[in-house]
Amino acid sequence: QQQVKQSPQSLIVQKGGIPIINCAYENTAFDYFPWYQQFPGKGPALLIAIRPDVSEKKEGRFTISFNKSAKQFSLHIMDSQPGDSATYFCAASSQGSNYKLTFGKGTLLTVNP
Amino acid sequence: SQTIHQWPATLVQPVGSPLSLECTVEGTSNPNLYWYRQAAGRGLQLLFYSVGIGQISSEVPQNLSASRPQDRQFILSSKKLLLSDSGFYLCAWSVSQGKFSNQPQHFGDGTRLSIL
Repeated sequence: QQQVKQSPQSLIVQKGGIPIINCAYENTAFDYFPWYQQFPGKGPALLIAIRPDVSEKKEGRFTISFNKSAKQFSLHIMDSQPGDSATYFCAASSQGSNYKLTFGKGTLLTVNP
Repeated sequence: SQTIHQWPATLVQPVGSPLSLECTVEGTSNPNLYWYRQAAGRGLQLLFYSVGIGQISSEVPQNLSASRPQDRQFILSSKKLLLSDSGFYLCAWSVSQGKFSNQPQHFGDGTRLSIL
């Protein structure tokens, strides 16, 4: 079964720190890797996404690093703020699965002031 | 702009009662529609998806069913709820290009369902 393994389960950093969340996958057919941010009581919101033809993508303070050979990708949050405290999910999909998203189990990030 | 609405926001139901959760999308036509369930510590599990009216695909055999009576309306139902049906139910949509593609999925704010 297609899986995406996400770590750590929870993460606490100080304001200004750089939390890193990692995801690993097995299915080499995956060709789309989005990250979602979810605040309590809300639905997930797309944060940033990457395709395997690039190794890095930045949007504001958020960066995805992608290592195709290792089948891993990670989210870095630069200059983290208390407002970034949320649950983050990585996901992956492929054409062969009708682009249905397979989600990691999530990382609860807490940024202390 | 496109918006997605889910209701109710919270629901408490007794075991064995029926269920109907509704999701509607505005501002787009012929979207792909999805129902997910989110359990604590387990991420999001895809339950159903639809590429058009009356077209429903089920991902996981269970006590639930889905219907799409109109282009932008997606309904999640059950005839008899089980305790295990408790969870956070999320509806999502994505742009359809006549097929599935790597289009972002946009989520509603979910329904918190508690079964007593």
